[in-house]
Amino acid sequence: EVQLVESGGGLVQPGGSLRLSCVASGFTFSSYWMTWVRQAPGKGLEWVANINQDGREKYFVDSVKGRFSISRDNARNSLSLQMNSLRAEDTAVYYCARVWVGHCSGNDCYRAFDFWGQGTMVTVSS
Amino acid sequence: DIQMTQSPSSLSASVGDRVTITCRASQSISIHLNWYQQKPGKAPKLLIYAASTLQGGVPSRFSGSGSGTDFTLTITSLQPEDFASYYCQQNYISPPEWSFGQGTKVEVK
Repeated sequence: EVQLVESGGGLVQPGGSLRLSCVASGFTFSSYWMTWVRQAPGKGLEWVANINQDGREKYFVDSVKGRFSISRDNARNSLSLQMNSLRAEDTAVYYCARVWVGHCSGNDCYRAFDFWGQGTMVTVSS
Repeated sequence: DIQMTQSPSSLSASVGDRVTITCRASQSISIHLNWYQQKPGKAPKLLIYAASTLQGGVPSRFSGSGSGTDFTLTITSLQPEDFASYYCQQNYISPPEWSFGQGTKVEVK
């Protein structure tokens, strides 16, 4: 059974830092892109960051570029999100998810987030 | 950046109704479009990928269509468990910055 379990959320002051972790089980973690998605209270989903299988490719939404970093430890089946210079607008539930390739047509592949963790709440407030 | 615009932002419907939600991309994304369902306090659930392919275990009353910039999610006969929020998401090839629409909340009429 595929499981993703996030941890590390909490209350932090503006300008502070927090590191989120996501531990994966039930699948070959090193074979998948992974992603972080967040949801501010009462708001919609926002994609935050992606990382490829070996950790060399990383992409971020513009609002977190230069402040957040994403990494993975394939030996420990672990994904991390390091969040620095936190702002009130970063307050959200943060989900990790697996990036699954549904199918490919030639070189064109169709991806989706097929398994999600339960989420961890990050509150940025003084 | 590819922007995704969903409409309506909310709708009221009754059990048995046919419900249609639309999603528009700011540029052509072929069929690189997914749909998710989210219930309060829960993680999203993948319903449809590649615009029209139903994820395993998803009831056949859900369907997706469209290509290029305009997409549709249809629920043919709304069931009590379908009252939820629905999000489209583009997963265009490059760069892999896979944005979501703002969501559509389906509420009880």
